[in-house]
Amino acid sequence: DAKTTQPNSMESNEEEPVHLPCNHSTISGTDYIHWYRQLPSQGPEYVIHGLTSNVNNRMASLAIAEDRKSSTLILHRATLRDAAVYYCILSPQWGGYQKVTFGTGTKLQVIP
Amino acid sequence: DAGVTQSPTHLIKTRGQQVTLRCSPKSGHDTVSWYQQALGQGPQFIFQYYEEEERQRGNFPDRFSGHQFPNYSSELNVNALLLGDSALYLCASSLGGGQNIQYFGAGTRLSVL
Repeated sequence: DAKTTQPNSMESNEEEPVHLPCNHSTISGTDYIHWYRQLPSQGPEYVIHGLTSNVNNRMASLAIAEDRKSSTLILHRATLRDAAVYYCILSPQWGGYQKVTFGTGTKLQVIP
Repeated sequence: DAGVTQSPTHLIKTRGQQVTLRCSPKSGHDTVSWYQQALGQGPQFIFQYYEEEERQRGNFPDRFSGHQFPNYSSELNVNALLLGDSALYLCASSLGGGQNIQYFGAGTRLSVL
């Protein structure tokens, strides 16, 4: 299974942008990059995903390196509600059943 | 539209017992995956069910088994419980053939004494 590497923790001031990095040097050409976050006492929540191009949605932006070996989740203005553990995972495209590996993620602390 | 629901929310068992956890997927989803999450760790993939068959399995012993019903709901069974099985068990549903965007339930907290 392809693996991802993330920093264990990061801090951000409230209303500042946050850039959460993820390395996935063994990514295959058919792997999507997915981001999930897990708030305390909840199950993980889908944030965003992409294949090659940068992606935006109402929650965040995803910047994918040209060689696809790394990506960055961007929260444009961190709020206290964004304090969570953020997971970057690789998910194969349809064509095989999908065994997904979560790492330990990045714990984001937002400082008021 | 109900999301993924899991039951029960909490469960206490003793070593050697058996447990069954239940999951109802998000409406319209046909694929269910189960994860085990130990305290302070990321979720670990147990297995995935699609069309009532186990399609993928993680590194878990045969004590962990599952089932998917025709209505796509699913059960996770764990036999001969060990202390190390204490964890949060998460169910996620997705749409087969899609890009595997998973929707998670809130989990079942299992404590083995």
